[in-house]
Amino acid sequence: DVKVTQSSRYLVKRTGEKVFLECVQDMDHENMFWYRQDPGLGLRLIYFSYDVKMKEKGDIPEGYSVSREKKERFSLILESASTNQTSMYLCASSPATGGGTEAFFGQGTRLTVV
Amino acid sequence: AQSVAQPEDQVNVAEGNPLTVKCTYSVSGNPYLFWYVQYPNRGLQFLLKYITGDNLVKGSYGFEAEFNKSQTSFHLKKPSALVSDSALYFCAVRDSLSGGYQKVTFGTGTKLQVIP
Repeated sequence: DVKVTQSSRYLVKRTGEKVFLECVQDMDHENMFWYRQDPGLGLRLIYFSYDVKMKEKGDIPEGYSVSREKKERFSLILESASTNQTSMYLCASSPATGGGTEAFFGQGTRLTVV
Repeated sequence: AQSVAQPEDQVNVAEGNPLTVKCTYSVSGNPYLFWYVQYPNRGLQFLLKYITGDNLVKGSYGFEAEFNKSQTSFHLKKPSALVSDSALYFCAVRDSLSGGYQKVTFGTGTKLQVIP
């Protein structure tokens, strides 16, 4: 069974902290994504990666960075957490085989910044 | 630019009745269309997709969706709703003409409530 695993289900961090969200996939997928989900706004793409050490900005990259040192792992970094980054964060992966391939999602990390 | 709209924040339906969750899209080329479902405090699960071919697409858990090119719609349907279908449903689109990565755009989601 294919799997995308996010390291934490719930996180509470303080304003100004550096926060790491980790995601691992076991499907040998080339593409990996980080989304943010907020009520009424749907899913918004933060960053994605199409290969090891490669990254592209999504729609809302401000305040975030990413790291992909190995194919199976994609990390989202909040350099200095702020309360407006309180949200549900979803990691996803997909193969590079054409545009009609669905994504596989992790279970989500609900981050609260206080 | 591509976009997708889910005009209803919430849909209520009685158990056993047919359900429809609406989705319309806008793309420059041909669309790749997807439906995902999200149960409380979980990630998204893929339900079905339209790439090409038959306009009626069948997916998981008895769901189906009809692609209508003239109305630029991809509504999700099920003949008989179950209480367990209550969840948040997302429509998503990818433009076949967008180069490179081919970004996916998600709708804002529709909460389906099936009433016993």
